[in-house]
Amino acid sequence: KNQVEQSPQSLIILEGKNCTLQCNYTVSPFSNLRWYKQDTGRGPVSLTIMTFSENTKSNGRYTATLDADTKQSSLHITASQLSDSASYICVVSRNTGFQKLVFGTGTRLLVSP
Amino acid sequence: ETGVTQTPRHLVMGMTNKKSLKCEQHLGHNAMYWYKQSAKKPLELMFVYSLEERVENNSVPSRFSPECPNSSHLFLHLHTLQPEDSALYLCASSRSVNTEAFFGQGTRLTVV
Repeated sequence: KNQVEQSPQSLIILEGKNCTLQCNYTVSPFSNLRWYKQDTGRGPVSLTIMTFSENTKSNGRYTATLDADTKQSSLHITASQLSDSASYICVVSRNTGFQKLVFGTGTRLLVSP
Repeated sequence: ETGVTQTPRHLVMGMTNKKSLKCEQHLGHNAMYWYKQSAKKPLELMFVYSLEERVENNSVPSRFSPECPNSSHLFLHLHTLQPEDSALYLCASSRSVNTEAFFGQGTRLTVV
């Protein structure tokens, strides 16, 4: 079954601290993996996208890693800011004729002052 | 601003009402999507349109009726909804069906 599981479900950290969010997937055939940030009541916004051959990709203070062998990805946030408070959604795309995105349920991050 | 605009942002409707959600994209994309996001659940794909033709319908109840008059506009017509249909409805577009999707802000729908 094609699934994306994220952990933890929720996380509270102090402003300035680092954190790492996890994503495990069983999606196949694999095309790419994306991390999205979704502010409350708004649509998701893409942070990174990685294909099978990419191990790491950065976008400012966000760094995503991908291990295609173990089917795991992580999103590391450095020097967190209050504006990082949001849900972070891992999305895996299947390599089929039509784009089929499999969404995780997200990790809700709260950055506390 | 992602270039995908949804209206209204919030909607409260009774179970006997008829309403429509609107989505417009200014990105020149050829594919558009409707997603449903319920609390603590992953996003659920409802409809996919490519070049104004519906290419996928994930067994969505007939009380949801999509319309795509051109590649820039997408509607979701709603009638006789149920309280469990209350959710955030997200529209997205992409250059083609196989490329990255850009999401709108969503419409928060409450059925009373």
